[in-house]
Amino acid sequence: DAKTTQPNSMESNEEEPVHLPCNHSTISGTDYIHWYRQLPSQGPEYVIHGLTSNVNNRMASLAIAEDRKSSTLILHRATLRDAAVYYCILRDVPTYKYIFGTGTRLKVLA
Amino acid sequence: GAVVSQHPSRVICKSGTSVKIECRSLDFQATTMFWYRQFPKQSLMLMATSNEGSKATYEQGVEKDKFLINHASLTLSTLTVTSAHPEDSSFYICSARDAAEAYTQYFGPGTRLTVL
Repeated sequence: DAKTTQPNSMESNEEEPVHLPCNHSTISGTDYIHWYRQLPSQGPEYVIHGLTSNVNNRMASLAIAEDRKSSTLILHRATLRDAAVYYCILRDVPTYKYIFGTGTRLKVLA
Repeated sequence: GAVVSQHPSRVICKSGTSVKIECRSLDFQATTMFWYRQFPKQSLMLMATSNEGSKATYEQGVEKDKFLINHASLTLSTLTVTSAHPEDSSFYICSARDAAEAYTQYFGPGTRLTVL
C-alpha cells in the first residue's frame, strides 16, 4: 500500500491561507490523491481529490507536484471551523481501500 | 453531496452481548462499503471491505468471527460485534464508495460503542 507522510501538527491565524503538505513518494501512476478532514467525534469529511492536475472546489485547492510525489492542500482563508485533523490518502488500486496515516492536526488561532 | 448514515450514533452494552451497527448510503448505490475503528487520539484503522452480495474481506489481525459484516443490499451494510468486551469499546466508522465519483469514499458520522 502506498504511504503518505504529513506533519503531525500545524498552526494558522484566522483569515490567513494555510498550506498543508503531504509526501507520497511511492505513489503509482493510477493512484488518486484524496484529502479528508475530521472533527472530534465525527466521521471524516471529504475535502478534495485529484490525479495529476491542480484542482479547486468551494472548500479548498489541491496543488499536485509535477512528479506527483507530493501535494499540498490549500485553505485560502482559514476560519475557526477549519480546525480539524487533515488526512492525505492515496486510493489503493484495485481494491479502492484507503489507508489512513497519522494526519495533520490544524489549529486555527483567533 | 453523497450522504452516509449510521445507526445508532452511540451504544452502551454489557460485556458478552452482541451489538449491531447499521450503515446506509442515502442518495447513491454503494457496491462497496468499508468499516473502520478509531481509538482516542489515533487515526482510523481499516477493519474490512464489504462488497454487496459477497463475503467481506478482513484486514490482517481482525477477527471475522467477532466482527460479522453483512452487505445485503446496495445501500445497507451492517457490522455486528459479537460477545463484546471492554477492549472492543471504540468509535466505529463506515464509508461507502461512490463509483460515479472517481471511487471517492463518503463516511458516516460514526458509532461510539462502550462495553461495560
